[in-house]
Amino acid sequence: RKEVEQDPGPFNVPEGATVAFNCTYSNSASQSFFWYRQDCRKEPKLLMSVYSSGNEDGRFTAQLNRASQYISLLIRDSKLSDSATYLCVVNMGPDSWGKLQFGAGTQVVVTP
Amino acid sequence: DAGVTQSPTHLIKTRGQQVTLRCSPKSGHDTVSWYQQALGQGPQFIFQYYEEEERQRGNFPDRFSGHQFPNYSSELNVNALLLGDSALYLCASSARDRFSNEKLFFGSGTQLSVL
Repeated sequence: RKEVEQDPGPFNVPEGATVAFNCTYSNSASQSFFWYRQDCRKEPKLLMSVYSSGNEDGRFTAQLNRASQYISLLIRDSKLSDSATYLCVVNMGPDSWGKLQFGAGTQVVVTP
Repeated sequence: DAGVTQSPTHLIKTRGQQVTLRCSPKSGHDTVSWYQQALGQGPQFIFQYYEEEERQRGNFPDRFSGHQFPNYSSELNVNALLLGDSALYLCASSARDRFSNEKLFFGSGTQLSVL
């Protein structure tokens, strides 16, 4: 079983619609969680951290469910520029600060 | 403010050769991490350097080694190249404080092809 698993997609989303997807992780000791965005043939860029209480950043909402060991990302009012691969990132435990595990990514395609 | 810079951008090597990739961190950052990203996969953690020492290491063989210099720049060395080493190699920098350590800024990567 992979340590971080994501639905690869693609999620085809009409412009203006809402899309949501999850990521599961296997290490119950993981303590920090992130979503990164990666455009085709480009480097990953930090989208947002994920906090226990859930958090929003504009049209993006992230949630963490420690009991079920998954995090989610919701994108409201999708824009064409949201088309990208979204990488779920989890640290490898309290003794592994800075050692991050990336999922393989969920591809989102926003269509006009 | 310069971001993370990597060189070269592309590299072609043959099996058995050795390669050195270079990275300069973002201004104000002192920690450098290296990742390998195969096509269609997420980045895989190779190792992290801080204060010129390897602080964390992922599941990569000893053929993968690194170095950090006093100016915080870093090198990744791979010996005895295998076809499977073909990938995008990403350097990421961060600040050492616990709040920022895992918020990575990536360079645009070095695409390594092993023939």
